[in-house]
Amino acid sequence: SAVISQKPSRDICQRGTSLTIQCQVDSQVTMMFWYRQQPGQSLTLIATANQGSEATYESGFVIDKFPISRPNLTFSTLTVSNMSPEDSSIYLCSVERDNSYEQYFGPGTRLTVT
Amino acid sequence: SQKIEQNSEALNIQEGKTATLTCNYTNYSPAYLQWYRQDPGRGPVFLLLIRENEKEKRKERLKVTFDTTLKQSLFHITASQPADSATYLCGTARQLTFGSGTQLTVLP
Repeated sequence: SAVISQKPSRDICQRGTSLTIQCQVDSQVTMMFWYRQQPGQSLTLIATANQGSEATYESGFVIDKFPISRPNLTFSTLTVSNMSPEDSSIYLCSVERDNSYEQYFGPGTRLTVT
Repeated sequence: SQKIEQNSEALNIQEGKTATLTCNYTNYSPAYLQWYRQDPGRGPVFLLLIRENEKEKRKERLKVTFDTTLKQSLFHITASQPADSATYLCGTARQLTFGSGTQLTVLP
């Protein structure tokens, strides 16, 4: 398995500001993913973070709103830009282990936008 | 469009019984399905993966089946315990598409 940490664990932000969430893995992984989980809902994939190239975004998510960096094989960031209350969610990163399709998730970042 | 559905939002069972959770998919044929457990305030935890050419897979008290004819996966927890109470998610594809989850409560 992989050990994944996220920072911050939670934050309360004002409308119109941006927050960058960090995801750190204890081993090198090829594939990292960012998800959003809105209150009482299941997880929705935002994007796949590719090392050395642009992230691949799912329908409904755009780079201007959710810019992603992946500078190396153990780290990624997701920025939630120009936040509105609708962005209040838990944001989770995950990694795939050894091309196994099994994914391991971080503990999540609980974001509240006021 | 491709869809994963978990029919029950909530399931309550008595301790010691077998819990059976259902996952149905439509408009595609996944090569595999995965099951995860999520506790409140935590990220999902991987439990089992089953491929389309595997009818059944087991891990301790857990069993997963994959029926490509019915387009369905069943997830069983035998001899259930209150500690098994959680939300269980099924999903597929490398970029996981998750069902909405089933909240299982095992009553002592």
